[in-house]
Amino acid sequence: DAKTTQPPSMDCAEGRAANLPCNHSTISGNEYVYWYRQIHSQGPQYIIHGLKNNETNEMASLIITEDRKSSTLILPHATLRDTAVYYCIVRVIVGANNLFFGTGTRLTVIP
Amino acid sequence: DTGVSQDPRHKITKRGQNVTFRCDPISEHNRLYWYRQTLGQGPEFLTYFQNEAQLEKSRLLSDRFSAERPKGSFSTLEIQRTEQGDSAMYLCASSSSGTEKNIQYFGAGTRLSVL
Repeated sequence: DAKTTQPPSMDCAEGRAANLPCNHSTISGNEYVYWYRQIHSQGPQYIIHGLKNNETNEMASLIITEDRKSSTLILPHATLRDTAVYYCIVRVIVGANNLFFGTGTRLTVIP
Repeated sequence: DTGVSQDPRHKITKRGQNVTFRCDPISEHNRLYWYRQTLGQGPEFLTYFQNEAQLEKSRLLSDRFSAERPKGSFSTLEIQRTEQGDSAMYLCASSSSGTEKNIQYFGAGTRLSVL
């Protein structure tokens, strides 16, 4: 699986959009971008995934650049409960391959 | 609550003792994973089961570690002769091979402290 690069930490004001970047310049054509988050003392939680089109669900939006070398996770209206470590993971969608988490981005939502 | 249960949530043991953790995956999931997470790091893969078969093991899984999934349902992870370096959060995840999204759902983990 391709590796990803994320900033170690970010702050966001409560109620504002949080934009979390991820670089994955070695991504292969059959690899998807997955995002998970981990709130303190809990297990990782799936957020969203995509291949090349932008995706949106009830939790977040995922914007993938046309060359697929980077992506941005958008939390449209951050709340204090969104404070967590966010992991960007690149992997193929088929098969049982494990997840490579890296160190992620620690997002702190400020009141 | 993701539907993946882990027991116990916390375990304190003395160096040299054996410990066993249990994971109950989402009932219809045939794949089960174990990960380990140390402070400040992301989870690291340990091993993976499809049904009762253990199909992959990480080099992190030393000879002191053994995992089982005897009936393809719950799984246990045993650590023999624990060392202080084994102190970590042990996470279990499950997924289904029958869906196209291939999403792993995680339990809350078992935090092990080796004194």
